[in-house]
Amino acid sequence: QKEVEQNSGPLSVPEGAIASLNCTYSDRVSQSFFWYRQYSGKSPELIMSIYSNGDKEDGRFTAQLNKASQYVSLLIRDSQPSDSATYLCAVIPAGNNRKLIWGLGTSLAVNP
Amino acid sequence: DGGITQSPKYLFRKEGQNVTLSCEQNLNHDAMYWYRQDPGQGLRLIYYSQIVNDFQKGDIAEGYSVSREKKESFPLTVTSAQKNPTAFYLCASNGQGSGNTIYFGEGSWLTVV
Repeated sequence: QKEVEQNSGPLSVPEGAIASLNCTYSDRVSQSFFWYRQYSGKSPELIMSIYSNGDKEDGRFTAQLNKASQYVSLLIRDSQPSDSATYLCAVIPAGNNRKLIWGLGTSLAVNP
Repeated sequence: DGGITQSPKYLFRKEGQNVTLSCEQNLNHDAMYWYRQDPGQGLRLIYYSQIVNDFQKGDIAEGYSVSREKKESFPLTVTSAQKNPTAFYLCASNGQGSGNTIYFGEGSWLTVV
C-alpha cells in the first residue's frame, strides 16, 4: 500500500515566523510531488509542485525534496494569519501516471 | 476562463433518492476524478477516469456511479445504496499538459435530510 504521511497538527506559529511542514512517502520511485492549501469549507488549491531533488522557491514558499530520504517539506516564511489552513501533500507514484496519493493534511494556525 | 465547474454547490437528498453531481472542465484534461471529504478528514477517491468511455473504481466506490461520455464531463451519481452520503464532494482533473498537476472544482456539499 503506497502511503503519504503528514503530522496532523495543529502546528501553531506566531505571525512572522517560519512554518515548516513535512511529508514522507513510501514509494521510493515516486516522481511528482505537490503541496496544496485548503481553507475550511473550500476546495484545495495548488501552492507548489516539485519534481527534482533540492529546493524550489515561490515567493514566501519553499518546497524541499529529498528523494533518498523520501520526504518533501514546505517552508512558509514570514507566516501570516491568512496562511492558517490545512496543507495537503500529494504524490504521484511511479507506474500510475496521474492518480495522486494524498496525505491527511497538517493544520497550521498562525497567531497574530 | 478555464476551470472546473461543479454544480450544484449545495444539495439536499432525501432518504432513498439518487442524486447526480455535475462536473465540467474546459482545461482539455484527459483525466478526471471524484473525491469525498468528510469533516476533518482527508480526501478519499471515489472514481477516476483517464480517458473517455473508461473509468475505474477508487477506494470508496460502493454506492456511487459515474459516466464519462465526453472529455469535458464526469458526473457522479450518489445512489440510495450509499448509506452515509453527507459529505463534501470534490471533482478534479489533470493532464500531461498541466505537468500532471491536479486542479479542483469548488466542491459540492451534499446533505441527507
